[in-house]
Formats: sequence, C-alpha cells, structure tokens
Amino acid sequence: SQQGEEDPQALSIQEGENATMNCSYKTSINNLQWYRQNSGRGLVHLILIRSNEREKHSGRLRVTLDTSKKSSSLLITASRAADTASYFCAPTANNTNAGKSTFGDGTTLTVKP
Amino acid sequence: ETGVTQSPTHLIKTRGQQVTLRCSSQSGHNTVSWYQQALGQGPQFIFQYYREEENGRGNFPPRFSGLQFPNYSSELNVNALELDDSALYLCASSLKGTGANVLTFGAGSRLTVL
Repeated sequence: SQQGEEDPQALSIQEGENATMNCSYKTSINNLQWYRQNSGRGLVHLILIRSNEREKHSGRLRVTLDTSKKSSSLLITASRAADTASYFCAPTANNTNAGKSTFGDGTTLTVKP
Repeated sequence: ETGVTQSPTHLIKTRGQQVTLRCSSQSGHNTVSWYQQALGQGPQFIFQYYREEENGRGNFPPRFSGLQFPNYSSELNVNALELDDSALYLCASSLKGTGANVLTFGAGSRLTVL
C-alpha cells in the first residue's frame, strides 16, 4: 500500500530556526507530496516532487528526494509561529493510485514565538 | 473557482444510527477520495470515486459506502455506527489524468458517536 511514515513525531523549535522533517516509504513512486494540517482542519498541499527530481524549492520550503533510500525530507527555513501545524507526506506510486494514500501520523511542529 | 466544501461540519449520533456526509468537489475535478482521521492520527484512506464508481478502497468494512454524482459531488454513508467511528471525515478532490493528482481537501466533518 502507499503509505508514508513521518519522523520525528513531534518537533519544537524557536521562531527563526529551521525545521527538518523526514518521510520514509516502501513502494516505488511516481511522485511524493507534502501536506500541512492546522489543528482540526483539512490538509493543504505544500509541494510535489517527482521521482526524477532530487530537490525542489518553494518559498521557505525545500524538499529533497532520495529514491534509492526511499526517503524524503522537508525543510522549513526561518520558521514562524504560523508554521505550527502537522505535516504529512504522501508517496504516490502511479497515476492509477493517486489519491489512495493512507497517511502516517505526521510530524507535529510547534514554533515558539 | 470554489474549493472543496463538506457538510455538515459537526454532528453527533448514537451507536447503531446511520449517517450521511456530503462533499462538493473543486470545480474542474473529477475524482473524490474520502479519509477518516481519528484524533492524533493521520488520515486513513476509505475509498475513492471516479466516474461515479468506486475506484479503490482501503481497509474499511462494507458498512462504509459512498456515491458520486454526475456533477462529481459525493456522499459517504456509514451504517450501524460504532463508537470507534468517531473521527474527522475528510473529503479530497483531484483531477485524474493530469499526472500530478494533487489533492484538494475540504475542512472536514467531525462525527461524534455516543
């Protein structure tokens, strides 16, 4: 099945610091997506990286992908209190299975002002 | 362009009852996926609907069923409610066939079963 496992479970940092969270998966993928969830709300898509890409940037976000290790990392630079949320990864095996991911329990990030 | 809307936002049911949750997909999307998220856990895939048919199912019993309508909106029905069905139910729409299949989530329906 398509499932990502995020690590660490919880991360607490001061505003202005960088936050790094990791994702591991087991199947071959077409792409991997990162989502964010504010408490009790729906998930919001952050960034997508394709299997033939190794690194991607979007604003303060940097995502890396190592398909040989079946892992990805999400780096948030210069964190803000508003970045406090849970972060989930969604590895997608192919277009047929897109949207059928079961998410891991996420990384809960707390950014202290 | 509107996003994904879900209704109701909150509801309380008792064990054994039935519930219907509704989802309007984002304009232009043709696929709807449903997820169950228990407190403190990640969303678990229930099933997906594409072209008004079930297109994949997670590890959920048959009392979880759904529909997709010609306008791509969808319903999730749960019969014989159990206490463990208490959760946030999330709907996500996407456009199958574009390659990326980024999910657009609604804000969820929080179900409490007493």
